[in-house]
Amino acid sequence: EDKVVQSPLSLVVHEGDTVTLNCSYEVTNFRSLLWYKQEKKAPTFLFMLTSSGIEKKSGRLSSILDKKELFSILNITATQTGDSAVYLCAVEAKGAQKLVFGQGTRLTINP
Amino acid sequence: DVKVTQSSRYLVKRTGEKVFLECVQDMDHENMFWYRQDPGLGLRLIYFSYDVKMKEKGDIPEGYSVSREKKERFSLILESASTNQTSMYLCASSLGGYTEAFFGQGTRLTVV
Repeated sequence: EDKVVQSPLSLVVHEGDTVTLNCSYEVTNFRSLLWYKQEKKAPTFLFMLTSSGIEKKSGRLSSILDKKELFSILNITATQTGDSAVYLCAVEAKGAQKLVFGQGTRLTINP
Repeated sequence: DVKVTQSSRYLVKRTGEKVFLECVQDMDHENMFWYRQDPGLGLRLIYFSYDVKMKEKGDIPEGYSVSREKKERFSLILESASTNQTSMYLCASSLGGYTEAFFGQGTRLTVV
């Protein structure tokens, strides 16, 4: 059975800190790993990773995949209160047409 | 921009009622999904559909059914609502392949 585990489940930091969120997975015939940000409404897409070692970057957010060790990290530098959200990691298997999600990490940034 | 629209943001229903949750997408996506989201459990897949009139069970289909009569619309049906179906329900759609899924704003269902 495909499985995604995120850690930590909850994290509270001060504005300006750097955070690293973790996502490990077990999936048959891996295709891609995706990160989403969820505030009080719909999850919004951040990154899709398919190849090991290639960093994806968008502003202060970056992510990288390790297909040998079966994990991904999401880094956020110089955090702001607007980064407070639940961050979701999901994997897709080839031919599966669906995403399997982890539990999510609830990130709180205090001013 | 892709838009996935769920018919209600909040719903309160009584135990035993039949409940319909509607989802419409405007980007001609092949795949549509229904997830429920509960604290500590993340998003769990209830059903998905990869074509009109096609449906596949997800991880937790018990107590639910779905309907996809048109490509743009995917309905989730709770045949007889129970209190353990109180949850946030999220609809999503995707083109498939190496593309991301787009989510609706969610329906928070409370069954009393």
